[in-house]
Amino acid sequence: EAGVTQSPTHLIKTRGQQATLRCSPISGHTSVYWYQQALGLGLQFLLWYDEGEERNRGNFPPRFSGRQFPNYSSELNVNALELEDSALYLCASSGTGDYGYTFGSGTRLTVV
Amino acid sequence: GIQVEQSPPDLILQEGANSTLRCNFSDSVNNLQWFHQNPWGQLINLFYIPSGTKQNGRLSATTVATERYSLLYISSSQTTDSGVYFCAVGDGATNKLIFGTGTLLAVQP
Repeated sequence: EAGVTQSPTHLIKTRGQQATLRCSPISGHTSVYWYQQALGLGLQFLLWYDEGEERNRGNFPPRFSGRQFPNYSSELNVNALELEDSALYLCASSGTGDYGYTFGSGTRLTVV
Repeated sequence: GIQVEQSPPDLILQEGANSTLRCNFSDSVNNLQWFHQNPWGQLINLFYIPSGTKQNGRLSATTVATERYSLLYISSSQTTDSGVYFCAVGDGATNKLIFGTGTLLAVQP
């Protein structure tokens, strides 16, 4: 069974540009979660999607947005990039049953 | 919101030593997981353990939900065990997984 896959692995953008990160959940999982891990700031919850709807978001500005597609894959968009957006972005998925969250390998975004 | 505290923040071990990592949380939770973050950033799921005890090889974990803590035991540590260990708990009200600040483990040969 394939795990959670994220693309791209690395992304370098210029301040002010937009970044798009992608995530494919484990087959059968309908919930997708996005987390940001910036240097020295730990893992911060960004967004939760389930059945195509945004269910919850963390304390991030509106320029962080995303969506979930009918096949449950998800996209995170970050507009008007700032230097402080440089971080590892991790995606996780979960389904029914007692197995918890499974994380992907992450996308390392660097804003220059 | 739920607070998650991990201790110790840093730990240096000689290869072959045993260790215990602790996670305290401030409220009832519907999920508790232990993760190991490798040097490339990937979070490896070690245990899903909202209560009880589980073992997987040299690792074991115990969660006492009524007393709001969990312990991760690492026996006969190896250099490949180095990295950051995170405890994360599930907030049933928001479905968020809330992470502790982690324990940075360094195992020296």
